[in-house]
Amino acid sequence: QSALTQPASVSGSPGQSITISCTGTSSDVGRYNLVSWYQHHPGKAPKLLLYADSRRPSGVSERFSGSKSGNTASLTISGLQADDEADYFCCAYAGPDTVPFGGGTKLTVL
Amino acid sequence: QVQLQESGPGLVKASETLSLTCTVSGASVTRSSYYWTWIRQPPGEGLEWIGYIYYSGTTRYNASLKSRVTVSVDTSKNQFSLKLTSVTAADTAVYYCARQDMATSYYFETWGRGTLVAVSS
Repeated sequence: QSALTQPASVSGSPGQSITISCTGTSSDVGRYNLVSWYQHHPGKAPKLLLYADSRRPSGVSERFSGSKSGNTASLTISGLQADDEADYFCCAYAGPDTVPFGGGTKLTVL
Repeated sequence: QVQLQESGPGLVKASETLSLTCTVSGASVTRSSYYWTWIRQPPGEGLEWIGYIYYSGTTRYNASLKSRVTVSVDTSKNQFSLKLTSVTAADTAVYYCARQDMATSYYFETWGRGTLVAVSS
């Protein structure tokens, strides 16, 4: 059982928006503004999408955005594209001795 | 462009030692501001942090694996390695190496593609 809770799957049609939640506790997601999100196409290296809850690294599309409320962080993908079909997982800072990850969410683009 | 590549045996016998290496290109493992990290994902499960090494040699490990894990670095080869002793079927997983920012926001900036290690009885 993963430390952070994500829905197992979400789906959306091209052009639509979807949101993936990541629920933790007041010791991780809720304590620090340090949630990160990753995209993983099977067989490839996971890719950093967002860090510090909502900051995008250089080169990541503005279609990916992040937010947080209390112990739940969210990733929103707008203008869904076929290539967005992948696994998405979250991670939170929780101190030097542990790194909680979400269980991952499979996004299907219909 | 920083790249990481895992390498090592894809099959390990139960009770033996799993050994993997991560070769880093485009950056030096001696650079500060980063943790060089191992993460794994058992089939059908979520990701599990194994541990990291800092350029100074400082290491930290997942408490559940601490008694069996060693992460080391070879600066001459620009590599870092993972050893996991006394493996069981529960250690079957895809193993990833990653570079983690520790100066600002603790995110995993770069990952390898991962390597599947199966433990046989």
